[in-house]
Amino acid sequence: ETGVTQSPTHLIKTRGQQVTLRCSSQSGHNTVSWYQQALGQGPQFIFQYYREEENGRGNFPPRFSGLQFPNYSSELNVNALELDDSALYLCASSLGPLQGGNTEAFFGQGTRLTVV
Amino acid sequence: AQSVSQHNHHVILSEAASLELGCNYSYGGTVNLFWYVQYPGQHLQLLLKYFSGDPLVKGIKGFEAEFIKSKFSFNLRKPSVQWSDTAEYFCAVRGLTGGGNKLTFGTGTQLKVEL
Repeated sequence: ETGVTQSPTHLIKTRGQQVTLRCSSQSGHNTVSWYQQALGQGPQFIFQYYREEENGRGNFPPRFSGLQFPNYSSELNVNALELDDSALYLCASSLGPLQGGNTEAFFGQGTRLTVV
Repeated sequence: AQSVSQHNHHVILSEAASLELGCNYSYGGTVNLFWYVQYPGQHLQLLLKYFSGDPLVKGIKGFEAEFIKSKFSFNLRKPSVQWSDTAEYFCAVRGLTGGGNKLTFGTGTQLKVEL
């Protein structure tokens, strides 16, 4: 186990709804990244939070947003859900922002989101 | 922009066979390289990583990978696979020079080891 926990594990939402996914980082880790893994694909970077601020973003629209809290836990919010948002959402924590290099990311088990 | 290409999408091997999974990346500067494994129903786990130094890196469970800078490759190897190695394997790169904060993953290789 990595110590990164995500909730819920599974979720079904209707198109147009909003969803919030949660992540608790590994003890001592101050950086959280979120990834989307569609079926048959590798994880794709959504964004990273370091010290409660967004610290890098991938090619995702603004309806994907996030928060990081003082205890370094994090939320991923997705508004106006679309069918293509159905995927496994992965949270990864690390000690320090990844642009520093030489740091590892530890992944949680993910939240399986299905949009119908 | 950084990208990763994994050449084999599905690999089927018999136990004790040797394994080599290909990974090539596209990035012009210094990189960190990783192989992750995802066992059925489990989280992504780090198999091994390359940061700097010896280009031949050893990871957990008998896996190793060799970084060949001139070929932009980081192939994963194991001399003798076991049934328990059945899983999906992802190669990932992080560019250190303006590459941002992200890991870029390949599409993965599904390995099935038969008894």
